[in-house]
Amino acid sequence: EIVLTQSPVTLSLSPGERATLSCRASQSVSNNFLAWYQQKPGQAPRLLIYTTSFRATGIPDRFSGSGSGTDFTLTISRLEPEDFAIYYCLQYGTSPTFGQGTEVEIK
Amino acid sequence: QLQLQESGPGLVKPSETLSLTCAVSGGSISSSNSYWSWIRKPPGKGLEWIGSMFSGGGSHYNPSLKSRVTVSVDTSMNHFSLKLNSVTAADTAVYYCGSGGGIAVAHVWGQGTLVTVSS
Repeated sequence: EIVLTQSPVTLSLSPGERATLSCRASQSVSNNFLAWYQQKPGQAPRLLIYTTSFRATGIPDRFSGSGSGTDFTLTISRLEPEDFAIYYCLQYGTSPTFGQGTEVEIK
Repeated sequence: QLQLQESGPGLVKPSETLSLTCAVSGGSISSSNSYWSWIRKPPGKGLEWIGSMFSGGGSHYNPSLKSRVTVSVDTSMNHFSLKLNSVTAADTAVYYCGSGGGIAVAHVWGQGTLVTVSS
């Protein structure tokens, strides 16, 4: 099983600031099959990024993904009020596993 | 526009079988090259992938749940289902069904349904 470790656990930022979220895998992710989800309380997860860097339909371009192998990053260029949420990375190159999540909270 | 809706009992007794259905509207479950997936979120914890089935056939399950899980597709009813047997309190969670181009990679999710395992 590939273990995904996300850091930081909590990110305290203000609207307009840049957010950088990390996801590190215990072994190389096949085909860079790494996705990012956003989840707000009481809501279903929302797919943001798939295959490391491809934005899902309707996702604003302030969200971007990068990385390869074992190290991946989600960047939110300028935080909007609606971006404060929990973010999960997911690897699906082998049997899918999620990271434990990073909470982006308002500072 | 594809929409998904979970349904099933909100309370299941320990050792019994959890059964959920995901109704698909706005599209046909058999005509798309999609994966139909289930994930869950236990209270206070993160997301966990349960299993996925490809519309063309073939199922994939979380190894930690594989012995207890079945995901199936009913094309006549345009829905897919989850069965998890021998449940314990650890299976208490919000369960989500989803559809997309990859295993656990879903562009569309249902709203989720809370299932509590308790006597």
